Amino acid sequence: NAGVTQTPKFRVLKTGQSMTLLCAQDMNHEYMYWYRQDPGMGLRLIHYSVGEGTTAKGEVPDGYNVSRLKKQNFLLGLESAAPSQTSVYFCASSYRGDSGNTIYFGEGSWLTVV
Amino acid sequence: KQEVTQIPAALSVPEGENLVLNCSFTDSAIYNLQWFRQDPGKGLTSLLLIQSSQREQTSGRLNASLDKSSGRSTLYIAASQPGDSATYLCAVWDSSYKLIFGSGTRLLVRP
Repeated sequence: NAGVTQTPKFRVLKTGQSMTLLCAQDMNHEYMYWYRQDPGMGLRLIHYSVGEGTTAKGEVPDGYNVSRLKKQNFLLGLESAAPSQTSVYFCASSYRGDSGNTIYFGEGSWLTVV
Repeated sequence: KQEVTQIPAALSVPEGENLVLNCSFTDSAIYNLQWFRQDPGKGLTSLLLIQSSQREQTSGRLNASLDKSSGRSTLYIAASQPGDSATYLCAVWDSSYKLIFGSGTRLLVRP
């Protein structure tokens, strides 16, 4: 059981380049999330999905796009990377059970935009 | 818009001390509240989840309380150890299945 897997773990981009971060979960969870974490700060929600084929904006969605074509995958795209998007990106998936929400996080993807 | 605030931003204590970390949120209509631990350069580890109908949860030396009406939660760590050094994050679940985080408290427990 792999849990939540993020690809790639590290990436350096030049300003203006595009890239896609892939998040995959094997737990059949309905809900998936993309967060970013900047130094000394908590996690800020970029986009999230409450099911296959659905996406919604979080707190800081500008400059990012997402897709959830398959239930197990949630893709985060940067169309034209900017230095302000240098950050650590975390993906998560969750389900809502009788005792509350259970969430699983990936190990993070370190992105540097130069 | 839900906002989560954690005080203090950083804390340094000698080993063995009991300590309290504070979390406040602006919208009391939360589903659950959760505390996480994050070690440097690592992902998140869930510590405690408090459902909105509960007042507190305990796990070992950790005790988390929730007062929805006042928009506050505290994480109490008893008999702190150097291994407790980490960043502690408070987060609230809203009814739209979003988890909103505070900025964290960076804890250092000195031997």
